[in-house]
Amino acid sequence: DIQMTQSPSTLSASVGDRVNITCRASQSFSRALAWYQQKPGKAPKLLIYEASTLQSGVPPRFSGSGSVTEFTLTISNLQPDDFATYYCQQYLTWTFGQGTKVDIK
Amino acid sequence: EVQLVESGGGLVQPGGSLRLSCAASGFTFRKYAMSWVRQAPGEGLKWVSTISATGGTPYHADSVKGRFTISRDNSKNTLFLQMNSLKAEDTGVYYCAKGNWELLAAPFDSWGQGTLVTVSS
Repeated sequence: DIQMTQSPSTLSASVGDRVNITCRASQSFSRALAWYQQKPGKAPKLLIYEASTLQSGVPPRFSGSGSVTEFTLTISNLQPDDFATYYCQQYLTWTFGQGTKVDIK
Repeated sequence: EVQLVESGGGLVQPGGSLRLSCAASGFTFRKYAMSWVRQAPGEGLKWVSTISATGGTPYHADSVKGRFTISRDNSKNTLFLQMNSLKAEDTGVYYCAKGNWELLAAPFDSWGQGTLVTVSS
């Protein structure tokens, strides 16, 4: 099975910051990588798929990059609504990373 | 608008069984793979099971293999998860999720609100 490791586990940032979240895979695979945002008590929301394709309706301050075994989610100009937990997922066998909580510095 | 509504959660004793349902609407259910994802209290997302659009190919995480069975009824636009031999570590919110396109290897573009399963004596 492909294991996914996210870093950092927690990230403290301020409104307007640019933040990066990394997801590393235990073995190489295609670009079948998605990023999700989850707020407390709510279902996850798909942000990005195919490593870099923005899901419809998602603000362009979210972007994704990477391939092979290392992928990055970047949030430019962090907004108050972006404080949440983010998960990566490889969807060949559907494994999630352990999550990165973005909180207010 | 895509809607996924889970039901069937509740309190069950260790070793017991539950059957979760997910009623789907707003899209052509029979064309998409569907999945269950769970989240233990205060923990991250864990993939549980996925089933192909036709229902002919189920996949389960190792932690639930042999105990859980995913199935679907395309005539009723409903997804199921039969959970047997439940353990305390199966406790959590169970989400139903829809694949983003008509392949098994797809991200989950729509999610239900979740149903809580609590395994405790």
